[in-house]
Formats: sequence, structure tokens, C-alpha cells
Amino acid sequence: DQQVKQNSPSLSVQEGRISILNCDYTNSMFDYFLWYKKYPAEGPTFLISISSIKDKNEDGRFTVFLNKSAKHLSLHIVPSQPGDSAVYFCAARSVGLRGGSNYKLTFGKGTLLTVNP
Amino acid sequence: EAQVTQNPRYLITVTGKKLTVTCSQNMNHEYMSWYRQDPGLGLRQIYYSMNVEVTDKGDVPEGYKVSRKEKRNFPLILESPSPNQTSLYFCASSTTKRDSWDTEAFFGQGTRLTVV
Repeated sequence: DQQVKQNSPSLSVQEGRISILNCDYTNSMFDYFLWYKKYPAEGPTFLISISSIKDKNEDGRFTVFLNKSAKHLSLHIVPSQPGDSAVYFCAARSVGLRGGSNYKLTFGKGTLLTVNP
Repeated sequence: EAQVTQNPRYLITVTGKKLTVTCSQNMNHEYMSWYRQDPGLGLRQIYYSMNVEVTDKGDVPEGYKVSRKEKRNFPLILESPSPNQTSLYFCASSTTKRDSWDTEAFFGQGTRLTVV
């Protein structure tokens, strides 16, 4: 049962245009959503996040939108740059078995973004 | 420099030969976890630990063991590796402060394991 879904394995956009990466989830208990960026041969790096009590968070060229009723979030990159080419993972946080601050992260399968010059 | 260090980076081993992948962090983080990345499956959590001597199963714990005897170290143990454990493994650490969790989450560089 996949609780975090990234239905687009890949996305290709032109430099300077908007990139929109989508993520759907099924677990209503997720309280935090994160986006990670991963280059080949490197570990994932944190990009941007959003709390479940908000609907938008912006950081420079990156904006994440959350639609709780639709259980959907999206990452917008404007303008896209060739250096943004990477795999983007959507992740969601839930409280683990022990409760409290014991957090469990569930990742989507990732979307490969290619930004063409 | 804040970092998560995994060793080895690459490992080829034979079926059934016990191995340990080490993970160490220098940020005094309480939370550490292990993931495996496979084509078409993304990142899946194997085990996680919220503090010393506290570990919990993630989504794919079968065939793996972990221990958390010290705060900085979280080794991943494969007692009897099998070919289906051939994968790219990542260790990660973060604080457990609710509102700082995202900005203080770090991943290691990865360990590519091949079991023949």
C-alpha cells in the first residue's frame, strides 16, 4: 500500500519555464511534507517543506502547495534552471509507533526532472 | 562541518557472508534512520531510531538488524545477505524538534551494495 505517490516518473521542461512536480498521499495522519532533491551518486538533500496546517510555503524559486482536501501537494520551480535537473522525492512525516517525537518518513518513488537549456 | 558518514561507499559480497555498514553523524542528532533506494521503488525506510537504545522497524526491515549503542552511530547489519538486498543504502539523521526537523535532516552519501 503506497501512502505517498508520485505518479510521474519523469518531467522535462525548458530553461526559464515553470516546473510542477506533483505528489498525492493517502494517510490523513501525515503532519509534515517535505521535498528532497537528489543528484546521481549523492544522498538526498532537503529542499523545502510544508506543515499540514498551511497551504503554501515559498523559498526563493521554490514553492510548495498543499491541498489537504484533495490529499495533494505540488512543488513549483520558477524559473527552472539546468542545475535543477535531478530526482525529486516527496516525503511525508507521521508519528511512529512510540508516539511523541518518534517520526517516521515515507517517501514517494521520485520524479526525474530534466531542465533543457 | 555537519555531516553523515557512511562506510563503505561500495561493497561487493557473497550470499550469506555477514556484513555491517557503518553510519556516523557529528550533529548530536537524536533521530537516525536507514533507507534503501531501488529503481522504480524510490526510497524505503528500513529501520529508524529516535535515540540511544531505541529502534523501530520501518517499511522493509526483513533481513536487516540495527543497533544504537551510542548517539552518533547507527550501524546496519546484514546477518546473511541475499541477492535481493543488492541496493543503494542511505543513512540519515535529524533532530527530533518538531519544527526544526526538516532543516536539520541530513543524508549520507550512500553505500552501493552488491550481493552475488
